[in-house]
Amino acid sequence: AQRVTQPEKLLSVFKGAPVELKCNYSYSGSPELFWYVQYSRQRLQLLLRHISRESIKGFTADLNKGETSFHLKKPFAQEEDSAMYYCALTRLNTGNQFYFGTGTSLTVIP
Amino acid sequence: KAGVTQTPRYLIKTRGQQVTLSCSPISGHRSVSWYQQTPGQGLQFLFEYFSETQRNKGNFPGRFSGRQFSNSRSEMNVSTLELGDSALYLCASSPTSGGSAGELFFGEGSRLTVL
Repeated sequence: AQRVTQPEKLLSVFKGAPVELKCNYSYSGSPELFWYVQYSRQRLQLLLRHISRESIKGFTADLNKGETSFHLKKPFAQEEDSAMYYCALTRLNTGNQFYFGTGTSLTVIP
Repeated sequence: KAGVTQTPRYLIKTRGQQVTLSCSPISGHRSVSWYQQTPGQGLQFLFEYFSETQRNKGNFPGRFSGRQFSNSRSEMNVSTLELGDSALYLCASSPTSGGSAGELFFGEGSRLTVL
């Protein structure tokens, strides 16, 4: 069965410090992995997807198939990064059925 | 473009009643998915509709059902409500379904409280 695990419910870092939000998954096929973010009083929205290999708002995520991880990283956290972050997985060619982790609430301390 | 619109935003029902929630996707989006969000379970997939056909279904009892109309608007229905159905129900639309997964565009949700 597909499962996405985000081990940290809460994470606090100081402004300017590096931040890493962990995501591990279990899936036997070829997954597509995403990070979604929800800022205060805003809708859940896509932050980045692994297939695009892009950096969004300074965040990057590397898919490690050996460790089945897709950790989200940013070298220097900003106050505006405070939000709820969800790791999500779906399967190729199966539509838009996503499996979400339970989320990590990131607080960047000024 | 207007975003995904969900109605009603808040509703209170009692056990045994039924409820219908509505979702209008972004114009041009043909895929509509529904998720249940609770503090303990997070976001759980209910079902996806594409071009009026149910494409995927999550692991929820038959009391949860949905449909999609020709204009891509979607409704979901929960019959014989239980206390555990209290949740935020999120709708998400996407221009595509299949192949490389498309980006999900979420609505603000319908918060259901069952008393």
